[in-house]
Amino acid sequence: DVKVTQSSRYLVKRTGEKVFLECVQDMDHENMFWYRQDPGLGLRLIYFSYDVKMKEKGDIPEGYSVSREKKERFSLILESASTNQTSMYLCASSLRWDEQYFGPGTRLTVT
Amino acid sequence: GENVEQHPSTLSVQEGDSAVIKCTYSDSASNYFPWYKQELGKRPQLIIDIRSNVGEKKDQRIAVTLNKTAKHFSLHITETQPEDSAVYFCAASYNTDKLIFGTGTRLQVFP
Repeated sequence: DVKVTQSSRYLVKRTGEKVFLECVQDMDHENMFWYRQDPGLGLRLIYFSYDVKMKEKGDIPEGYSVSREKKERFSLILESASTNQTSMYLCASSLRWDEQYFGPGTRLTVT
Repeated sequence: GENVEQHPSTLSVQEGDSAVIKCTYSDSASNYFPWYKQELGKRPQLIIDIRSNVGEKKDQRIAVTLNKTAKHFSLHITETQPEDSAVYFCAASYNTDKLIFGTGTRLQVFP
């Protein structure tokens, strides 16, 4: 069974803080993705990675960065959290040309 | 870039009735169209997908149809049951692992 885990289910941070969201998958998947999910907007891709140390911008990368030092781990970084980054963050992983498996999500609140 | 529109945003049906969710895409080169189901408080999971060389695909009570000329694809659920209640997302991509998601449809099945 594919397992994608995220470091926190709920997180509360203050404006201006640096925030790290971690995602780990145990199926040796090449691809990893970070999405944010907001009501009425669906799933929007922030960043993705095809391989270690590789990253590609998605549709809404502003205010975010990522790191992939190991194949199984993909981190999303909010350099300076703002209230408009309050959202549900979902990580996913996949083999090339295959189904994406999602993590349980992290609900981030920035106050 | 690719844009995916999904309708309706909410759908209520009586148990046993059919439900249809429609998506349109903008990039005629798109060739992969998955559907994800997200139950309340849970992660999205793939329920069915179709590639552009096929016009229809069926899996028990769920079917997806694709009209490449009109650039739209639909999810059909027959004999709906309360456990079908969830948010459904369509997505599209072209020869990449980068999916563009629709905004989601909240389906409620009333007993």
